Amino acid sequence: AQRVTQPEKLLSVFKGAPVELKCNYSYSGSPELFWYVQYSRQRLQLLLRHISRESIKGFTADLNKGETSFHLKKPFAQEEDSAMYYCALRGLNTGFQKLVFGTGTRLLVSP
Amino acid sequence: ETGVTQSPTHLIKTRGQQVTLRCSSQSGHNTVSWYQQALGQGPQFIFQYYREEENGRGNFPPRFSGLQFPNYSSELNVNALELDDSALYLCASSLKAGATNEKLFFGSGTQLSVL
Repeated sequence: AQRVTQPEKLLSVFKGAPVELKCNYSYSGSPELFWYVQYSRQRLQLLLRHISRESIKGFTADLNKGETSFHLKKPFAQEEDSAMYYCALRGLNTGFQKLVFGTGTRLLVSP
Repeated sequence: ETGVTQSPTHLIKTRGQQVTLRCSSQSGHNTVSWYQQALGQGPQFIFQYYREEENGRGNFPPRFSGLQFPNYSSELNVNALELDDSALYLCASSLKAGATNEKLFFGSGTQLSVL
């Protein structure tokens, strides 16, 4: 079964503090992992994907297959990072774009 | 470049009724998928359409059905509405149906309330 777990509903930090949003997954095959973000009054949008090994807006995420994790990190949080973050999984070679989402973590960055 | 648009933005229906939600894909995208997002939950995959055919489905009953048109716009139909169908329904389009690392573009959603 495919499952994505985000254990924190809310993460509250001060501006400039490091941030780590946790994501663990369960999948028997080779997964693709993504982080999607939803800023206030905006639509859900892709933040980053593990295959691209990219850094977007200072955020990075490393796929750890041993721990089945894909935690999202940023060394210095900014107020504009406040948003809802969803970790999502897709099985490779499934032939369609089914994403399995976690329940999301709300990040609140205070001044 | 036009984004994914959904209509209506809000809808109120009564249990047992039928509803049709509409989605216009991003320009050039031939694949559309629909998600249901209940309050406090992440989006849950309903199904995907590629070139007017359903080519993937999640754990939703047959009363959830869809259509994709030649211009790649799409509809989600739900029959015999139940109270638990109350949710935000998201449409997402992409360029290629099963491509690796494919990016989904989401609409703003339709908030459905079933009374």
